[in-house]
Amino acid sequence: DAGVIQSPRHEVTEMGQEVTLRCKPISGHNSLFWYRQTMMRGLELLIYFNNNVPIDDSGMPEDRFSAKMPNASFSTLKIQPSEPRDSAVYFCASRPLAGGLSDTQYFGPGTRLTVL
Amino acid sequence: TQLLEQSPQFLSIQEGENLTVYCNSSSVFSSLQWYRQEPGEGPVLLVTVVTGGEVKKLKRLTFQFGDARKDSSLHITAAQPGDTGLYLCAGVGRTSGSRLTFGEGTQLTVNP
Repeated sequence: DAGVIQSPRHEVTEMGQEVTLRCKPISGHNSLFWYRQTMMRGLELLIYFNNNVPIDDSGMPEDRFSAKMPNASFSTLKIQPSEPRDSAVYFCASRPLAGGLSDTQYFGPGTRLTVL
Repeated sequence: TQLLEQSPQFLSIQEGENLTVYCNSSSVFSSLQWYRQEPGEGPVLLVTVVTGGEVKKLKRLTFQFGDARKDSSLHITAAQPGDTGLYLCAGVGRTSGSRLTFGEGTQLTVNP
């Protein structure tokens, strides 16, 4: 089992540039989550999807952030334009069942984003 | 907004010592999970507790969910260098659907 796959693992970009982070969830999982982790704020949920439909995007910081899930095996998180304060590690996680309270979320290795 | 406060934030101990990490909130959670995260990797689930007062053991790790389901603790007996990592608690609120609220984490270092 390949686990959750994220790309790129590292991204360095300049302020104002567009950044696209990618995620491939575990096959058969129908819930997908995007998180951001920083030293100051810890791990924060940005948005999550059930069956490719966005359910809760209240954690998305502002309009510069957008996320899509065109199919069950692929999701993107886009930042346009990027700012230095967006520097963080971004994690994608997937889960096998939608709505289960004790279901395990499986995290990818993360993308470390640095915006100069 | 439901908040989870973890303490201590940092803990450095010698191999063989015991330790306890706490996770507290003023809110009631339907369930609570503990994760461990190593550098350069995503968090990995250790355990889920669902019932108030529940105690679960995973080898040298003991997890307890408070009777009121507002707090939890993680106790490690005879810590080993391999236990080093960031320990995160995460709660599922009664009305938050599938979303997890994470604590800030406890960075544990076990020195040989």
